[in-house]
Amino acid sequence: DARVTQTPRHKVTEMGQEVTMRCQPILGHNTVFWYRQTMMQGLELLAYFRNRAPLDDSGMPKDRFSAEMPDATLATLKIQPSEPRDSAVYFCASASDRGGYTFGSGTRLTVV
Amino acid sequence: GDSVTQMEGPVTLSEEAFLTINCTYTATGYPSLFWYVQYPGEGLQLLLKATKADDKGSNKGFEATYRKETTSFHLEKGSVQVSDSAVYFCALSDFASGDKIIFGKGTRLHILP
Repeated sequence: DARVTQTPRHKVTEMGQEVTMRCQPILGHNTVFWYRQTMMQGLELLAYFRNRAPLDDSGMPKDRFSAEMPDATLATLKIQPSEPRDSAVYFCASASDRGGYTFGSGTRLTVV
Repeated sequence: GDSVTQMEGPVTLSEEAFLTINCTYTATGYPSLFWYVQYPGEGLQLLLKATKADDKGSNKGFEATYRKETTSFHLEKGSVQVSDSAVYFCALSDFASGDKIIFGKGTRLHILP
């Protein structure tokens, strides 16, 4: 089965450090989403891309978060500087024009 | 804007009980509707979907019918198993909102043996 691959699976970092999360979408999928999941807020859409162009990043704190797609096989989400409140599970999902969203297994981020 | 409201959990049932998890939505267009399931420590998996009014999505014994008149997409299963314990998310995707998926807050389901 085709799958969305996220790395790393787990990340523990100190406050103030830069964190980079990576996502490899399914080959041929042209839409990529970044979600954050916490107990308090549930699933929040941070940003998404279509054909590598950012469509909406209104859910993302602009001062410290950035999302990019340097090529069709890689999406990145960076946090600089990281803060304890950024601790969450970050999910990437990809979709084709026919629909059918597939989620990765997530990156569990802990900022201490 | 578009939104999804689902019943708060946790929901606790005994094995073989009947399950209903309510979900209603608000959308300006004609969305596709989904149920996703998340098992502990894993990502979300698509459970079932429906793309137009009166469609019924089904998978693994779960069913949900797209009801436009009541803007609902309730999830049902006739006889739950311990292995169904997970968090269930109702979601919609609407071309008018750019095809992004909007999720409800999730309902945690516990099935007791």
